[in-house]
Amino acid sequence: EAGVAQSPRYKIIEKRQSVAFWCNPISGHATLYWYQQILGQGPKLLIQFQNNGVVDDSQLPKDRFSAERLKGVDSTLKIQPAKLEDSAVYLCASSLAGRADTEAFFGQGTRLTVV
Amino acid sequence: TQLLEQSPQFLSIQEGENLTVYCNSSSVFSSLQWYRQEPGEGPVLLVTVVTGGEVKKLKRLTFQFGDARKDSSLHITAAQPGDTGLYLCAGPSGGGADGLTFGKGTHLIIQP
Repeated sequence: EAGVAQSPRYKIIEKRQSVAFWCNPISGHATLYWYQQILGQGPKLLIQFQNNGVVDDSQLPKDRFSAERLKGVDSTLKIQPAKLEDSAVYLCASSLAGRADTEAFFGQGTRLTVV
Repeated sequence: TQLLEQSPQFLSIQEGENLTVYCNSSSVFSSLQWYRQEPGEGPVLLVTVVTGGEVKKLKRLTFQFGDARKDSSLHITAAQPGDTGLYLCAGPSGGGADGLTFGKGTHLIIQP
């Protein structure tokens, strides 16, 4: 079974530039999450989708971050404009049931460096 | 947002030793999960505990959920170099959302 696919694996940009990350979840998984993992910390939830609708985006910095999940499958996360403190690994995860006690499957992440 | 505190932050021990890492909160969680993350990879689920006092075993790993469902521990017996990684505990973020709130993790290094 194919896992969660993310691209690119690495990205280096200058501050104030824009960047986009792509995620393809496991087939059939209705719930998709984006997490931000800053070096030395655990992942922090940015946004949760159920199919193509947003369930929770309370921790998403909406002045610069946006995300969409067209057709309830693939998702993109965009940052515009990027700040130095956005340097982190961005993890995409998907799950079948959309409940916190079910297994979330994570992709390898995109490591973003803002210089 | 409910917070999870993990300790120790770093642990380096010799192969064959036993160890315990902890995950604590002032809040009650309906469930807690433990994940392991290796460099360059996403976290991988090890176990989910849902009942206060529950003990689950996964080969040499023993997971316990506190009676009050505010804390959990992970005990590894006879640690091996393959156990090296970042161990993260996670619980429901609350507020009606289904996403997870994670602790900062324990960085574990098992030296041959």
